[in-house]
Amino acid sequence: AQSVTQPDIHITVSEGASLELRCNYSYGATPYLFWYVQSPGQGLQLLLKYFSGDTLVQGIKGFEAEFKRSQSSFNLRKPSVHWSDAAEYFCAGRGYGNKLVFGAGTILRVKS
Amino acid sequence: EPEVTQTPSHQVTQMGQEVILRCVPISNHLYFYWYRQILGQKVEFLVSFYNNEISEKSEIFDDQFSVERPDGSNFTLKIRSTKLEDSAMYFCASIEGPDQPQHFGDGTRLSIL
Repeated sequence: AQSVTQPDIHITVSEGASLELRCNYSYGATPYLFWYVQSPGQGLQLLLKYFSGDTLVQGIKGFEAEFKRSQSSFNLRKPSVHWSDAAEYFCAGRGYGNKLVFGAGTILRVKS
Repeated sequence: EPEVTQTPSHQVTQMGQEVILRCVPISNHLYFYWYRQILGQKVEFLVSFYNNEISEKSEIFDDQFSVERPDGSNFTLKIRSTKLEDSAMYFCASIEGPDQPQHFGDGTRLSIL
């Protein structure tokens, strides 16, 4: 079955430090993968997507993610975190019929 | 940038009552979705809708749920007789075509008393 796993429930980083949020997927074929961000009381905003081609994808707000088939991973990275990045981050994969299968989310806290 | 809009932002309803959650997808989008997120849990797929009919529905989407596109702009989710466990954030999403990323609304927080 298609599934997406985010192993870290909470992560705390210092402002200005680098960030990596982990995502693992279980899909038969090449997956379509996404990262969304949710600020408190807000909806889900698309950060970036991977469909095919270049395995390093750039997104909005300075985020990037790398698709690694050998590790079944699609980790989200940012070189320098800002306090405004504090939010919950969801990795998702496209399932049958275009529905999204979400991971459990990772809550990012940024300390000054 | 065009947005998916959802109303109301918060709905409080007595158990057993009917509730209708409304969504206005992006105007040229053709595929529509409802998801829900129970507090502290992951976002779960409920139903997808294309060409005026349900494409796929999850186990959660039982006979108490229905969706409708009553006109050219609105997409609604109805829960016929609400239960306490229906309390959640409900998200609407839409896409223009099958290989496009989904655009989400800000959600409706449904609280069942």
